[in-house]
Amino acid sequence: GAVVSQHPSWVICKSGTSVKIECRSLDFQATTMFWYRQFPKQSLMLMATSNEGSKATYEQGVEKDKFLINHASLTLSTLTVTSAHPEDSSFYICSARDRGYSETQYFGPGTRLLVL
Amino acid sequence: AQSVTQPDIHITVSEGASLELRCNYSYGATPYLFWYVQSPGQGLQLLLKYFSGDTLVQGIKGFEAEFKRSQSSFNLRKPSVHWSDAAEYFCAVGAGGGNKLTFGTGTQLKVEL
Repeated sequence: GAVVSQHPSWVICKSGTSVKIECRSLDFQATTMFWYRQFPKQSLMLMATSNEGSKATYEQGVEKDKFLINHASLTLSTLTVTSAHPEDSSFYICSARDRGYSETQYFGPGTRLLVL
Repeated sequence: AQSVTQPDIHITVSEGASLELRCNYSYGATPYLFWYVQSPGQGLQLLLKYFSGDTLVQGIKGFEAEFKRSQSSFNLRKPSVHWSDAAEYFCAVGAGGGNKLTFGTGTQLKVEL
């Protein structure tokens, strides 16, 4: 149980284009999902907290207009990187908090984004 | 604000040897503590967690961790390491209700055959 998927697993795009990443909780309902960014050989940095049916809460320093987050249902959250630039290249990981067991976050396999 | 320190960036152990990965946290209240493992290019898998109760918690893959409030530590242990345990290990502390996780910088484990 507690499986989280992400799609795509990796994506290459041209500078200036937008990329959407999906995060799904497959066997549980997630009222809250989180988006992290991880640079090579570094730890995870929380970008934003996504609550179903409401606006996302962004961490300090994260551009909300660049990283659009939508949490339209209890099993799906999306992260859209708008007008991507090479510095947005990174590993993006989502996690979901089981509504029934709110203290634990379950992580997706990550999406590697390369902006050329 | 909470913080997590993992003092060892890299650790190398021989297969079959015991393992201890260190984690120290800073948090004003009773913490929620987690250990996750990450294989290259993969997401994070939950190894174990501590919320309350017995300070020695058992996890998956033969791992255990002990919460020591007096030392603000939550060290991860395994009595006999397998080659497949080679990975990056992250300790994390959660704010009340698990709303946010703060991660340590990770410890890269290498297992020598």
